[in-house]
Amino acid sequence: LAKTTQPISMDSYEGQEVNITCSHNNIATNDYITWYQQFPSQGPRFIIQGYKTKVTNEVASLFIPADRKSSTLSLPRVSLSDTAVYYCLVGDYKYYGGSQGNLIFGKGTKLSVKP
Amino acid sequence: GAVVSQHPSWVICKSGTSVKIECRSLDFQATTMFWYRQFPKQSLMLMATSNEGSKATYEQGVEKDKFLINHASLTLSTLTVTSAHPEDSSFYICSAREQGWARAKNIQYFGAGTRLSVL
Repeated sequence: LAKTTQPISMDSYEGQEVNITCSHNNIATNDYITWYQQFPSQGPRFIIQGYKTKVTNEVASLFIPADRKSSTLSLPRVSLSDTAVYYCLVGDYKYYGGSQGNLIFGKGTKLSVKP
Repeated sequence: GAVVSQHPSWVICKSGTSVKIECRSLDFQATTMFWYRQFPKQSLMLMATSNEGSKATYEQGVEKDKFLINHASLTLSTLTVTSAHPEDSSFYICSAREQGWARAKNIQYFGAGTRLSVL
């Protein structure tokens, strides 16, 4: 599993765009990049996943350069409710019947949105 | 999106008793479910992987006799903390991986977590 590195914390203000970058220099060909959001005392919530280029959904955008050694989660116009920890995960998905496909969580980025 | 229900959300028990936590995938079938533990201000730590109809795979350092996992159906996995002690107090979270296309990308859907307090 590729190791990921992301900033420990970030601060922002309501209405701003927030970009959280994750480094994964050892990403493998079969790896997808997935981002989760976690609020205190709750389970993580899937935000977005991508393999290359750009992916956009109703919540966020994910930018992945051609070398795939990093990725950037973009949250448009954040609000106070976006204050949470954001995890970047990279994993491969080979299947041999009971293969695991484990997700290994790093420390994540604690985003604090201020009014 | 897919929904995973985890019950109970909070449990307080006496030292030496056993506690069972249920994890259900409500609107999809999950061949594989995962159990995590999270201590305050720390990240999630994978405890074990549960496969329907077979024995769970435990991560190094996790006592399989203490944390019993059963995955009897495609929608239910249970974690039983046996003879709980105060050091077992933690936030336990389950996740489920959907069969089909999502499985190929390993998207996991998480329960809300269970706060265990052992007195």
